[in-house]
Amino acid sequence: AQSVTQLGSHVSVSEGALVLLRCNYSSSVPPYLFWYVQYPNQGLQLLLKYTTGATLVKGINGFEAEFKKSETSFHLKKPSAHMSDAAEYFCAVILVSGGSYIPTFGRGTSLIVHP
Amino acid sequence: DVKVTQSSRYLVKRTGEKVFLECVQDMDHENMFWYRQDPGLGLRLIYFSYDVKMKEKGDIPEGYSVSREKKERFSLILESASTNQTSMYLCASSSISDRESGELFFGEGSRLTVL
Repeated sequence: AQSVTQLGSHVSVSEGALVLLRCNYSSSVPPYLFWYVQYPNQGLQLLLKYTTGATLVKGINGFEAEFKKSETSFHLKKPSAHMSDAAEYFCAVILVSGGSYIPTFGRGTSLIVHP
Repeated sequence: DVKVTQSSRYLVKRTGEKVFLECVQDMDHENMFWYRQDPGLGLRLIYFSYDVKMKEKGDIPEGYSVSREKKERFSLILESASTNQTSMYLCASSSISDRESGELFFGEGSRLTVL
């Protein structure tokens, strides 16, 4: 079985500061990994994904994440926070092996950006 | 672009009413999902479907049923709405193939209030 842990239900940063949202997963085989963002009263939209290949992946709005197999982590980073980054962020994994591809989501991290 | 459309953004219903939430996707995806989202609990899977006329229970199917008569449409049904079903409902679709890695595409959500 796979599971996803997002450390910190809320993360608060100042505008211009580094954003770091943590995601760890447990899986018997390397999964596909995703970060989604949700703005108030909207659905989720894909920020970035890792499937195979380069372990550092870049997404929209200046976000990036690095897949670290040894640490079973897929942390999301942005060098400089903007007020518009304030939103809910979800990490998700899909275990494709064996024909099962039901995504498992973390509980989400609310990013608060102070002026 | 993939488009997932949920028929109603906001609904208010009374306890005991039958509620239909409709979802349509236009990318010929074989997989469709219904989640509910509640503060602090993240996304919880209600039902999913891998193909027309197929349905599988997710983590919290009690009190819900689904219908998938056509590939593009996946309906969530609350047979007798209760106040504890007040929530945000999110529909999503996905595909696993050589070109697609299974990420979910979400609708805008349907916020249901049961009085």
